[in-house]
Amino acid sequence: GENVEQHPSTLSVQEGDSAVIKCTYSDSASNYFPWYKQELGKRPQLIIDIRSNVGEKKDQRIAVTLNKTAKHFSLHITETQPEDSAVYFCAAWGSGGSYIPTFGRGTSLIVHP
Amino acid sequence: DVKVTQSSRYLVKRTGEKVFLECVQDMDHENMFWYRQDPGLGLRLIYFSYDVKMKEKGDIPEGYSVSREKKERFSLILESASTNQTSMYLCASNLGDREETQYFGPGTRLLVL
Repeated sequence: GENVEQHPSTLSVQEGDSAVIKCTYSDSASNYFPWYKQELGKRPQLIIDIRSNVGEKKDQRIAVTLNKTAKHFSLHITETQPEDSAVYFCAAWGSGGSYIPTFGRGTSLIVHP
Repeated sequence: DVKVTQSSRYLVKRTGEKVFLECVQDMDHENMFWYRQDPGLGLRLIYFSYDVKMKEKGDIPEGYSVSREKKERFSLILESASTNQTSMYLCASNLGDREETQYFGPGTRLLVL
């Protein structure tokens, strides 16, 4: 089955810096890669996603890039703000008859004012 | 706006008790999921359901069962609660048919004494 590895597990940055979180996946048939943000005590919420037919997607200060050949995708947050502090999860959706997501273990992002 | 609700935010049970966690979604979603969230381990899939009365095991089904008698409701059952089932339990749903975006419930924090 699919295996998703996420790095780093914790990331500490100063306000205004950029943050990058990387995920690798194992199943070359995976074709959908979402990122979720989970603030403390709240539910995970989708912040951006990308499909395998696209190499990059942006939404204001966040962007996701996908390298299908290398089987990795990354979340980029520019001009970080304290409210970006949260746990971020990546996921990969496989195929082959079992269309369910596999999640990374999460990255705790701390943005210092 | 999709709403996924869970029956309890916090639950304290004793070892050996039978525990029911309920999840309800109001958007006619086909697929529903139960995850367990533990620090450093991310979101691990317990069971999912792609239709009424249909279920499939996820990565960690041992000690759990599920029930989906109605499309909007997905129940997680701990047949005989054990202390190692102390965790945060998250329910999620998605529309299905290649509409992958998952919507999560607020979570149930279960403590088994």
